Amino acid sequence: DTGVSQDPRHKITKRGQNVTFRCDPISEHNRLYWYRQTLGQGPEFLTYFQNEAQLEKSRLLSDRFSAERPKGSFSTLEIQRTEQGDSAMYLCASSLASGDLDTQYFGPGTRLTVL
Amino acid sequence: GQQVMQIPQYQHVQEGEDFTTYCNSSTTLSNIQWYKQRPGGHPVFLIQLVKSGEVKKQKRLTFQFGEAKKNSSLHITATQTTDVGTYFCAGRNNYGQNFVFGPGTRLSVLP
Repeated sequence: DTGVSQDPRHKITKRGQNVTFRCDPISEHNRLYWYRQTLGQGPEFLTYFQNEAQLEKSRLLSDRFSAERPKGSFSTLEIQRTEQGDSAMYLCASSLASGDLDTQYFGPGTRLTVL
Repeated sequence: GQQVMQIPQYQHVQEGEDFTTYCNSSTTLSNIQWYKQRPGGHPVFLIQLVKSGEVKKQKRLTFQFGEAKKNSSLHITATQTTDVGTYFCAGRNNYGQNFVFGPGTRLSVLP
């Protein structure tokens, strides 16, 4: 399968614990996006990378969230001191941006439940 | 900040009827994308519109981008049960590279 993969698919944690999610984009895609989606809502932008550089980060993202893409390939999203409000589906998408065209291919997501 | 709205929130149609969802942005967009998300699935890219007034067709789906580049629509002719899902628009403004997604329109098709 050469699509976007995410690990784990499900994560249940207790409030206050740290969690880390991984995203493996489609090979050679230069852009990688992280989104959060709650039930009945559209994906909410969290942050995005162009190769290994983190170029944008949502103002809604608290300091408890951090993301890395160290070698411009896979990316990790860490949430520290989780809160119940962090419960959501975390989606990763990658694209091979060319001019205006920026087709995002989404992964299956990691569903986080904070107890 | 930029806001993207979609109406209606839900739409129930009989198979064979037409369906339209509308997307409106609070700011002028450089381009807009449409995605479809099946229940339990992830968003899947449908199309991107860039030019003012642009119209694109994919079989039974017709996409339009408004002249002012602040609104867009998706029209499905003669819906089928395979069209079931939530349709999202996602707009990118002239100042950044991120996309702002609308809340989506959830389509149900009754056989």
